[in-house]
Amino acid sequence: GAVVSQHPSWVICKSGTSVKIECRSLDFQATTMFWYRQFPKQSLMLMATSNEGSKATYEQGVEKDKFLINHASLTLSTLTVTSAHPEDSSFYICSSTTGEETQYFGPGTRLLVL
Amino acid sequence: EDQVTQSPEALRLQEGESSSLNCSYTVSGLRGLFWYRQDPGKGPEFLFTLYSAGEEKEKERLKATLTKKESFLHITAPKPEDSATYLCAVPSGGYQKVTFGTGTKLQVIP
Repeated sequence: GAVVSQHPSWVICKSGTSVKIECRSLDFQATTMFWYRQFPKQSLMLMATSNEGSKATYEQGVEKDKFLINHASLTLSTLTVTSAHPEDSSFYICSSTTGEETQYFGPGTRLLVL
Repeated sequence: EDQVTQSPEALRLQEGESSSLNCSYTVSGLRGLFWYRQDPGKGPEFLFTLYSAGEEKEKERLKATLTKKESFLHITAPKPEDSATYLCAVPSGGYQKVTFGTGTKLQVIP
């Protein structure tokens, strides 16, 4: 149980375009999902907390207009990187909980902006 | 401010050579401690949750222990497939949020 999927697993895009990443909880309902980014050889940095049916809560320093989060259902949250630039290239990972505090992570999405 | 520190940063072991990874934490009111394994290019895979000092949990060649200030991940007779980065994390900063350590990159050589 507690399986989280992400799509796509990797994406390459041109600078200035927008990219959408999906995060799904496959075998449980997730009222809360989390979005992280991870740079090479660094640990996970929380970007935002996504709550079903309400606005996401962003961590300090994360631009909410650049990283749009939509949590429209109990099994799906999306992260849209708007007007992506090379510095947005990173590994993006989502996670969720089943109600306890343990987080279960998706496989991640590698974004490369040219 | 809550902090999680892992050591060593990297560890290279011969196959069968047992060792331990350390996770030291400073949090106000520990609500648990998590261990994850992360393979290159993949999301973290959940291993253990420990809730109170003295608790131990095992899974195959891994055993996690917890004291009031730190946690250890003991690896007994490791195999090359145990090579990965091991992350620890504690609930911190808000409901269901966690703070991660920087990880220990383990390499097991045949």
